[in-house]
Amino acid sequence: QQQVKQSPQSLIVQKGGISIINCAYENTAFDYFPWYQQFPGKGPALLIAIRPDVSEKKEGRFTISFNKSAKQFSLHIMDSQPGDSATYFCAASRGSARQLTFGSGTQLTVLP
Amino acid sequence: DSGVTQTPKHLITATGQRVTLRCSPRSGDLSVYWYQQSLDQGLQFLIQYYNGEERAKGNILERFSAQQFPDLHSELNLSSLELGDSALYFCASSEDLTGELFFGEGSRLTVL
Repeated sequence: QQQVKQSPQSLIVQKGGISIINCAYENTAFDYFPWYQQFPGKGPALLIAIRPDVSEKKEGRFTISFNKSAKQFSLHIMDSQPGDSATYFCAASRGSARQLTFGSGTQLTVLP
Repeated sequence: DSGVTQTPKHLITATGQRVTLRCSPRSGDLSVYWYQQSLDQGLQFLIQYYNGEERAKGNILERFSAQQFPDLHSELNLSSLELGDSALYFCASSEDLTGELFFGEGSRLTVL
């Protein structure tokens, strides 16, 4: 049973545009929601993370929006750059644990 | 560079064989995680060790086992290999049980 559903599977955005990736979760016990960025040949790297006590968190061009009642969260990449082209994974875990349940990934391509 | 070292980077073997994947965590990190990344299952948590002790198990097959040694490096043993075990195996480490996960570059296993 997939507990974190991610969409879209792939996304193409023009340079300077906004990239939006969405995730939905089922397990209401989840309370830690990170986003990871993965380049080809590399391991996932933490981009930004949020806990459900806040509705939004911003770090530079990256923003997480969180909707607890809808059990959804999303990643917004403002002013997308070709260097942002990578695969993005949402994830979730519960309590203090870091046994992450990952979404299926979104392959982002930012055109120059 | 995350500071997590995984060896070997690539491994090709035959069905029925046994392999060992090695992970050296970042200096000072006590917790080690193993994740499997495959095209059909995505990124899945396998197992976690903390300071030498097994902490949590995820979707790890009985044919797979792991351990963390006193020097904190970890090994993932995969036996009676099947074609479906072909995947990228990532190790991640964190300072403690709640810290950020740092992923290695993975070991790509191909079972022929």
